[in-house]
Amino acid sequence: QKEVEQDPGPLSVPEGAIVSLNCTYSNSAFQYFMWYRQYSRKGPELLMYTYSSGNKEDGRFTAQVDKSSKYISLFIRDSQPSDSATYLCAMSGSSNTGKLIFGQGTTLQVKP
Amino acid sequence: GAGVSQSPSNKVTEKGKDVELRCDPISGHTALYWYRQSLGQGLEFLIYFQGNSAPDKSGLPSDRFSAERTGGSVSTLTIQRTQQEDSAVYLCASSLGQPYSGNTIYFGEGSWLTVV
Repeated sequence: QKEVEQDPGPLSVPEGAIVSLNCTYSNSAFQYFMWYRQYSRKGPELLMYTYSSGNKEDGRFTAQVDKSSKYISLFIRDSQPSDSATYLCAMSGSSNTGKLIFGQGTTLQVKP
Repeated sequence: GAGVSQSPSNKVTEKGKDVELRCDPISGHTALYWYRQSLGQGLEFLIYFQGNSAPDKSGLPSDRFSAERTGGSVSTLTIQRTQQEDSAVYLCASSLGQPYSGNTIYFGEGSWLTVV
């Protein structure tokens, strides 16, 4: 079993829809949670960073962490065609390591 | 300003050959990372350099893989006696400090390696 599980999709939605992306994990030591966006043939770019449990909002994006359920989510409101990309969750349990554990990534397509 | 630069962007090599992949991090960034991404997969951690500390090599898949960072800046990932399963995108990243407390990790565009 992988430490981090993420549905690879693909996920196809109409423009303007609310998108929900999710990851589950097994390591209860994880404290740092991130969402990255990766366009085709590009490197990942950080979208959201959350420490421990709770919600964080940035524009159209909201990240949620539920440590009791070992479940994290990324919500995208008013989705745009430019949001079409692969979304990767990443997490780590220690502030003294550069090792992030990534999910497989979910491919999202937002249709005009 | 310049981002993380990687070279070559594409490399096709024959099985059994050695390859070197280069990474130029963002100027001033003390932390440098190598990850590997196979087709349709997430990123797999390979190695992490932080300042003058001993690198975290725990992700290197075999002794055919090695990496060094010279002068706290440029890094080279070397794969010896390449195998077809080494075919992947090798991503380098850097950050101003440890990857938490607001230190964003910036990724390069990757070196696409194909072993034939």
